[in-house]
Amino acid sequence: GQQVMQIPQYQHVQEGEDFTTYCNSSTTLSNIQWYKQRPGGHPVFLIQLVKSGEVKKQKRLTFQFGEAKKNSSLHITATQTTDVGTYFCAANTGGFKTIFGAGTRLFVKA
Amino acid sequence: DAGVIQSPRHEVTEMGQEVTLRCKPISGHNSLFWYRQTMMRGLELLIYFNNNVPIDDSGMPEDRFSAKMPNASFSTLKIQPSEPRDSAVYFCASSLGGVSYEQYFGPGTRLTVT
Repeated sequence: GQQVMQIPQYQHVQEGEDFTTYCNSSTTLSNIQWYKQRPGGHPVFLIQLVKSGEVKKQKRLTFQFGEAKKNSSLHITATQTTDVGTYFCAANTGGFKTIFGAGTRLFVKA
Repeated sequence: DAGVIQSPRHEVTEMGQEVTLRCKPISGHNSLFWYRQTMMRGLELLIYFNNNVPIDDSGMPEDRFSAKMPNASFSTLKIQPSEPRDSAVYFCASSLGGVSYEQYFGPGTRLTVT
């Protein structure tokens, strides 16, 4: 079945440092979405990537979709304490199911 | 817009009891998803409805779990009988048109089965 691997599982950073989480699929994806879940909260949609090689930016966040549409990354520049939470990728191969990665939990030390 | 509404927010019940979780999707959304989140298994899709019809229920753990969507503004997830391993946070999410659209999650129901 479809597998979505997300690494790392945890990341501790000092405020101001950069952070990256990676998502890898065993199959070609039709699209990939990214969500953020604050501690005790619910997942909140950040962005969707559809095109091969696509790069999108939201302020300090940069999202990339690989050329082969099998991997994606989320990079945060100069982390802030408000960035804490768990970041999930959600992959879709064109079927009915979205497969969520295990998430990367980000801790930011002030 | 009120967003996706779930009730109850917390549920504590004893093993063997029936549990019913409720969800009201965002008005105008035609897709509804039920997820279960645990530390061990992460975020799992249980069932997906499109236009009130179950499209994919392959994630439903076993016959103890059932879900219904009698109309476009209401869905239930029922567990009967409940077991301690069902303890988790259950999220309902809705979207405009299936998995190619962003999903809006409700606040979740934290279920504890003792």
